[in-house]
Amino acid sequence: DADVTQTPRNRITKTGKRIMLECSQTKGHDRMYWYRQDPGLGLRLIYYSFDVKDINKGEISDGYSVSRQAQAKFSLSLESAIPNQTALYFCATSDLGQGVSETQYFGPGTRLLVL
Amino acid sequence: AQSVTQLDSQVPVFEEAPVELRCNYSSSVSVYLFWYVQYPNQGLQLLLKYLSGSTLVKGINGFEAEFNKSQTSFHLRKPSVHISDTAEYFCAVSSSGNTPLVFGKGTRLSVIA
Repeated sequence: DADVTQTPRNRITKTGKRIMLECSQTKGHDRMYWYRQDPGLGLRLIYYSFDVKDINKGEISDGYSVSRQAQAKFSLSLESAIPNQTALYFCATSDLGQGVSETQYFGPGTRLLVL
Repeated sequence: AQSVTQLDSQVPVFEEAPVELRCNYSSSVSVYLFWYVQYPNQGLQLLLKYLSGSTLVKGINGFEAEFNKSQTSFHLRKPSVHISDTAEYFCAVSSSGNTPLVFGKGTRLSVIA
């Protein structure tokens, strides 16, 4: 089984709808992240969480919210979806080893289309 | 804030030829550097990383990268590429354990038979 799973893998929605993307991990990591990927723009950080009680905004948090329900679960919500939120969304996890930035492990991605 | 520049958005190369993908980062007292690879329709996976020690870092699939502090670079190299190396490659940097990774915009490597 995959260590980092994302549901759904693909989603089509309409402008104005609220949707939630879910991420679960079995790696036992404290740290979780949400990114979006757009062609030519690379990965941009939306939100991140260093533990269950910690939530931080990333580079592009406007229009998004998150919930860290447990160590293993981190959900991303689009309160009112708009077409320019059409993108590929990735969840990632990491663990702080040796006090330095450590490897991030990515899920397979959720492809979102907002009409 | 840290930033990463990947100088080439696309790199076409013939099979069995060498390749270099370039990455420069904004200067900082300490940096931790990473290369990730994304194969078509997949998530990212770690190729290699530099945290400290030897400036030449070897990764999976025959790739290596050299940390050059004076030039603030961390270029990725492979002496002979295969068709299966066709993917998008991302350079990333962090300056401490309390700051998330900052990714470059990616370089799409296309290996031509």
